[in-house]
Amino acid sequence: QVQLVQSGAEVKKPGASVKVSCKVSGYSLTKLSINWVRQAPGKGLEWMGGFDPEDDEKIYAQEFQGRVTMTEDTTTDTAYMELSGLRSEDTAMYFCATNLQLASYFDHWGRGTLVTVSS
Amino acid sequence: DIRMTQSPSTLSASVGDRVTITCRASQSISDWLAWYQQKPGKTPNLLIYKASSLESGVPSRFSGSGSGTEFTLTISSLQPDDFATYYCQQYDVYSLTFGGGTKVEIK
Repeated sequence: QVQLVQSGAEVKKPGASVKVSCKVSGYSLTKLSINWVRQAPGKGLEWMGGFDPEDDEKIYAQEFQGRVTMTEDTTTDTAYMELSGLRSEDTAMYFCATNLQLASYFDHWGRGTLVTVSS
Repeated sequence: DIRMTQSPSTLSASVGDRVTITCRASQSISDWLAWYQQKPGKTPNLLIYKASSLESGVPSRFSGSGSGTEFTLTISSLQPDDFATYYCQQYDVYSLTFGGGTKVEIK
């Protein structure tokens, strides 16, 4: 049973950074492409970036370029998403998501990590 | 980026109704489209991929169709468990994008 287990909720001040983790269990991270999707309260889904398995490279959504960094630790099967320069509009639930067939739609999701940005 | 536009944004329907949600892409995406269902406080759940392929375990009352720029998700007979928000997502171009969502409410 593949599971994506995310780190706990965070409260950050404007201008700070946050690093969210997503640990893969029941599968090897090296066989997956982890993507990150966020959802502001009451709003829709917004793709932030992920690993493009066809081109073998990390792609970030234009909106987050320069502020987001996605990394992986294959020794612990854990993916990370770090977002810097936080502002109140970054308050959202952050999900990691993947597909076991390396397709770019998502059949497995983490439960989400709530990041609250508040002074 | 490819823009995905869903309509309607909200839909009121009764149990047993046939429901259709539309998703339009700003450029052709062939059939590289997925549909998700999301309930409040829950993660999205994959329903359909490649425009019309039903994900394993998803009830057959859900179906998808379309190609190019226009797609539909149909629920043939709405059930109480189907009241939720539905999202489309294109994966033709790897700057993935979601539609804005369609909330299906009880009439």
